[in-house]
Amino acid sequence: GEDVEQSLFLSVREGDSSVINCTYTDSSSTYLYWYKQEPGAGLQLLTYIFSNMDMKQDQRLTVLLNKKDKHLSLRIADTQTGDSAIYFCAERAPGGYQKVTFGTGTKLQVIP
Amino acid sequence: DSGVTQTPKHLITATGQRVTLRCSPRSGDLSVYWYQQSLDQGLQFLIQYYNGEERAKGNILERFSAQQFPDLHSELNLSSLELGDSALYFCASSSYTDTQYFGPGTRLTVL
Repeated sequence: GEDVEQSLFLSVREGDSSVINCTYTDSSSTYLYWYKQEPGAGLQLLTYIFSNMDMKQDQRLTVLLNKKDKHLSLRIADTQTGDSAIYFCAERAPGGYQKVTFGTGTKLQVIP
Repeated sequence: DSGVTQTPKHLITATGQRVTLRCSPRSGDLSVYWYQQSLDQGLQFLIQYYNGEERAKGNILERFSAQQFPDLHSELNLSSLELGDSALYFCASSSYTDTQYFGPGTRLTVL
């Protein structure tokens, strides 16, 4: 079955880079996603990567995918206090319908 | 703003009661998903509807049910409520090949 794991907590200083890691088990995943959840709010889609890509960059965000190790990471450059949130990775299984499995979420704390 | 709306924003009720949560998907999206987020369980997938039909089922209790109407809005019905049902309930929508966009959630408190 699918299982997506993340570390629970990450603390960084403002201006540093943050790297949030995720491991998944379903090698047939087609898309992998990163969502951000600010306190009291819904999940906001940050970025996604197709499974045949190794890297995707979008402004301060860099997603790296290692399919061999089933490892996904999200790097946030020049981390700001507004980046403090919970970050969820998610994988999408192939098929005629979407089945997305979310990780447990990593709480990012940015220290001014 | 994702384009997905949920009502109500907050709901406070007593054990044993029944509530209905409502979700309107993004314009054009045929799929609606329901999730429960609690502190100890993380984000749990409950159920998915596609164009009015149930498509996938997750960890949804028998006391819970959902439906998607012809206008594509969806309702999640929670009955015989227990203290442990207190959580944030999210709705998400997607088109057939697209990613999920989440609503702001309904915070349910069962006293």
